[in-house]
Amino acid sequence: DPKIIQKPKYLVAVTGSEKILICEQYLGHNAMYWYRQSAKKPLEFMFSYSYQKLMDNQTASSRFQPQSSKKNHLDLQITALKPDDSATYFCASSQDGTGGCERLFFGHGTKLSVL
Amino acid sequence: QEKVQQSPESLIVPEGAMVSLNCSFSDSASQSIWWYQQHPGKGPKALISIFSNGNKKEGRLTVYLNRASLHVSLHIKDSQPSDSAVYLCAVSMATGGNNKLTFGQGTVLSVIP
Repeated sequence: DPKIIQKPKYLVAVTGSEKILICEQYLGHNAMYWYRQSAKKPLEFMFSYSYQKLMDNQTASSRFQPQSSKKNHLDLQITALKPDDSATYFCASSQDGTGGCERLFFGHGTKLSVL
Repeated sequence: QEKVQQSPESLIVPEGAMVSLNCSFSDSASQSIWWYQQHPGKGPKALISIFSNGNKKEGRLTVYLNRASLHVSLHIKDSQPSDSAVYLCAVSMATGGNNKLTFGQGTVLSVIP
């Protein structure tokens, strides 16, 4: 019974289009994250939110915009898609995002392919 | 920028063997070091973490941390085919208390029955 739900599981998009990746968590956590896993690259931190506020952004491009409409939601909007954006995007959550020692719980990921 | 290097890249062992995985990191100011397990098509799952120098044991897992040499290792006793997965070392950075993890590229473990 997954506690972090990511939708969709697979996504195919054309270059230049816009997509939204959905993430909901039912663990009662106050911090949520996005990570990206590209082929032959380590899992890479993108954003962190704590109590619906942006804590850290390591994404160089403004084409990636997180959206937190509710405490347990953190969607990821990607505009002007490029083939290099092809990756699996993982949503994660933790208790409150502070202290640096928290266990992260990950969703199953959304695999994005940009043609 | 924190760098995390894992070795070996892949490992094949017979069922029941002891498995040893290595991880080196670049920043001595790092906080906790985590080991995650990732099965194909799934998200990473946290296994064990360590903060202080020394070792920590949980079930079949033992982790050793040496901050002076910036090295951590994970040992899996009595390995099982279900342990076959990618093992990720992740270092938590102490920047303003923000819970950001830097991951290594992973070690692919195959346990043969």
